[in-house]
Amino acid sequence: GQNIDQPTEMTATEGAIVQINCTYQTSGFNGLFWYQQHAGEAPTFLSYNVLDGLEEKGRFSSFLSRSKGYSYLLLKELQMKDSASYLCAPQSNYQLIWGAGTKLIIKP
Amino acid sequence: SAVISQKPSRDICQRGTSLTIQCQVDSQVTMMFWYRQQPGQSLTLIATANQGSEATYESGFVIDKFPISRPNLTFSTLTVSNMSPEDSSIYLCSVESPGGGQPQHFGDGTRLSIL
Repeated sequence: GQNIDQPTEMTATEGAIVQINCTYQTSGFNGLFWYQQHAGEAPTFLSYNVLDGLEEKGRFSSFLSRSKGYSYLLLKELQMKDSASYLCAPQSNYQLIWGAGTKLIIKP
Repeated sequence: SAVISQKPSRDICQRGTSLTIQCQVDSQVTMMFWYRQQPGQSLTLIATANQGSEATYESGFVIDKFPISRPNLTFSTLTVSNMSPEDSSIYLCSVESPGGGQPQHFGDGTRLSIL
């Protein structure tokens, strides 16, 4: 079967760093996407990993280990506007698999 | 990335009626998808809209309840038929450009409430 495991909710402080972990089990793995979704809005694309390693994009970085079925999203210099849900979406046979995401709460 | 216009943005409908949601893209795209997302839940794929042929539905979704059209490479509609309160949800259109590793991009969604 296919499964995605992320923490349901995390809390962090403005200006700090937070790491959101994701483990997955899928067949026909092609790559892994991270999306951000603010409450009541559509998801927006953040990053894509297909090879092992770290992809850095400004304040956001994403890491993938294919052999471990593991990824994380690292957010630096947190801002209040980063309060949102973060969705880990592995791609299986070119179809995205969606979990419920991690709700990130930023406190001043 | 493609610009996706989805409408209506929200609606309140009576039980038993039907509503058609439109999704317009500013460029030709191969793949168009329709999702449903209930509050606090993950995205659930309803179907893949195929240009020139019948949509491909996921388990638990049927054409009679969610008929889909895809007349060309830039436009699709989803109809929610014979609505009940359980159909209250956000409905999202997304598109994917061709080529490996391309992300899906989403329209702003349609917030549907059934009375």
